[in-house]
Amino acid sequence: AQSVTQLGSHVSVSEGALVLLRCNYSSSVPPYLFWYVQYPNQGLQLLLKYTSAATLVKGINGFEAEFKKSETSFHLTKPSAHMSDAAEYFCAVSDLRGGADGLTFGKGTHLIIQP
Amino acid sequence: DAGITQSPRHKVTETGTPVTLRCHQTENHRYMYWYRQDPGHGLRLIHYSYGVKDTDKGEVSDGYSVSRSKTEDFLLTLESATSSQTSVYFCAISESGTENSPLHFGNGTRLTVT
Repeated sequence: AQSVTQLGSHVSVSEGALVLLRCNYSSSVPPYLFWYVQYPNQGLQLLLKYTSAATLVKGINGFEAEFKKSETSFHLTKPSAHMSDAAEYFCAVSDLRGGADGLTFGKGTHLIIQP
Repeated sequence: DAGITQSPRHKVTETGTPVTLRCHQTENHRYMYWYRQDPGHGLRLIHYSYGVKDTDKGEVSDGYSVSRSKTEDFLLTLESATSSQTSVYFCAISESGTENSPLHFGNGTRLTVT
């Protein structure tokens, strides 16, 4: 089964600093990978997805992620953090059995933005 | 935003009582999912549906049942609620159900079992 590991349950950065949220996947074949964001008392919103078309994927709100097969990683970055980026972020992978049985999620990283 | 409505948004119930959560979609998507979210566990799949009356179990299905009699509605039932089922429950939908198809989520139902 596919799985993802998010390193760091909490990440704190200063406003204007680089945001780096880490995600590593386990798979013997290139998977489909996703990043979601969750604001308080809301559902998950898709930030971006990797589907093998390009290794650098740009998403909404200035976020991007790079797929690195050699490192089995799909880290999420943003050059300059804003206070509005404070939220919970989830990395997810699609099961290669066809995807109909949904996504497998990491445990999440809570991003804290310091003023 | 995807047209997904979960009801109720909040519920408090007692141990041993049955509870039904509803997910309603206006997108006419074939695939629907129920996840639960717990601190330190992320989201875990409970059940999913790939069409009317077609459902299957997910990772944490014990103690839960589902029904889908119409494309737009997917119901999650806790037959006899336990404190371990206190959680936030999310419904999600997918247009194609393929491996590169993202899920779109509702705003969740916060369930407390006392």
